[in-house]
Amino acid sequence: QLQLQESGPRLVEPSETLSLTCSVSGDSIDSRTFYWGWIRQPPGKGLEWIAAIYYTGDTFYTPSLKSRITISVDTSRNQFSLKLTSVTAADTAVYFCVRLWGHWSGYSDYWGQGALVTVSS
Amino acid sequence: DIQMTQSPSTLSASVGDRVTITCRASQSINNRLAWYQQKPGKAPKLLIYKTSTLESGVPSRFSGSGSGTEFTLTISSLQPDDFATYYCQQYNSYCTFGQGTKVEIK
Repeated sequence: QLQLQESGPRLVEPSETLSLTCSVSGDSIDSRTFYWGWIRQPPGKGLEWIAAIYYTGDTFYTPSLKSRITISVDTSRNQFSLKLTSVTAADTAVYFCVRLWGHWSGYSDYWGQGALVTVSS
Repeated sequence: DIQMTQSPSTLSASVGDRVTITCRASQSINNRLAWYQQKPGKAPKLLIYKTSTLESGVPSRFSGSGSGTEFTLTISSLQPDDFATYYCQQYNSYCTFGQGTKVEIK
């Protein structure tokens, strides 16, 4: 059974960098069928797709965050990571790592449990 | 960007009711539409993809339909476990979600 688990600091100061890692177990991240990504959800609000990556390192970003966001993959550790720079309170959200079916913007059949990251001093 | 508009935002229903949620896209999405169920404090769960394909393990009381820009999620007989928030998602061009429909107990 595939499992995804987010890890990283849950409290980030304004203007600093948010960093999260997703550890994948139960399947290899270098599967040709799937992409891997991040979706976030501000408290009490809806879902926003923000980034995706293929095992080859090809990356895809939502245009509104493209200047601040980096997604990377480490196939040797079966992990992928997210960095979001210059954060503000608007970046406070639950960040979910997901598996994406067949395309970088495909539907997500597996989700991590989510990591609430709060931006505050 | 493709905008997804769900209706209603909130739906009050009783166990056994037939429930329908609508999702409208701002342009054609080639049936690349998924539905998710989310309970408080949990990650969304995939119910349906490609408009009408039921994800493995999802009860058959859930069904999806539609084409072009208009799509529906139907729960044929609402069960206690179904009270949750439901989101549609288009994945034809980038990926955008509807704002959600909360199904609450009447």
